[in-house]
Amino acid sequence: DQQVKQNSPSLSVQEGRISILNCDYTNSMFDYFLWYKKYPAEGPTFLISISSIKDKNEDGRFTVFLNKSAKHLSLHIVPSQPGDSAVYFCAARRGAQKLVFGQGTRLTINP
Amino acid sequence: DTGVSQNPRHKITKRGQNVTFRCDPISEHNRLYWYRQTLGQGPEFLTYFQNEAQLEKSRLLSDRFSAERPKGSFSTLEIQRTEQGDSAMYLCASVRGVGVDTEAFFGQGTRLTVV
Repeated sequence: DQQVKQNSPSLSVQEGRISILNCDYTNSMFDYFLWYKKYPAEGPTFLISISSIKDKNEDGRFTVFLNKSAKHLSLHIVPSQPGDSAVYFCAARRGAQKLVFGQGTRLTINP
Repeated sequence: DTGVSQNPRHKITKRGQNVTFRCDPISEHNRLYWYRQTLGQGPEFLTYFQNEAQLEKSRLLSDRFSAERPKGSFSTLEIQRTEQGDSAMYLCASVRGVGVDTEAFFGQGTRLTVV
């Protein structure tokens, strides 16, 4: 039962443009959502998070949007830079419980 | 560097051998998680400690897997009688406190290859 889904395995974006990564979830009890970035042979690195009481959270070039009615969240990166090329994981949690991860989206930023 | 340390970084073992991995979390973090990641998938939850107490184990964790966190500090994950299907990246994460709005910090992982 895949409670968190990232339906796009890969995304290619030109440098300077906006990257939009999407994530859907099925468990309405999730109340905290996070995005992690992962380079090969390294552990995931925390990027940005959002609580279910909010619908938007910004941190520099990164913005996460949450649509609770659609059970959908997205990560916007603008402007995209070559160093943003990595695998991005969406994760969700209920309270202090474990994180449930999506399958990841490989983002490639083309110069 | 997130402050979470995992050793070894890589381990190659023959099928049937036992292996043990170590995780040193960030010192003030009382929650510690183990995850497993295979190619093309997101990290999958294995087990969770709050201080020294193991509070949850995934159904993925067969009897061959055991984890400990003595004194609520570092943790070890042991796999007995390894199988080729155990080949994966094993990730450790630590979290401070029990609040809702806290992120997990991951170590660099241990890559296990069973030949």
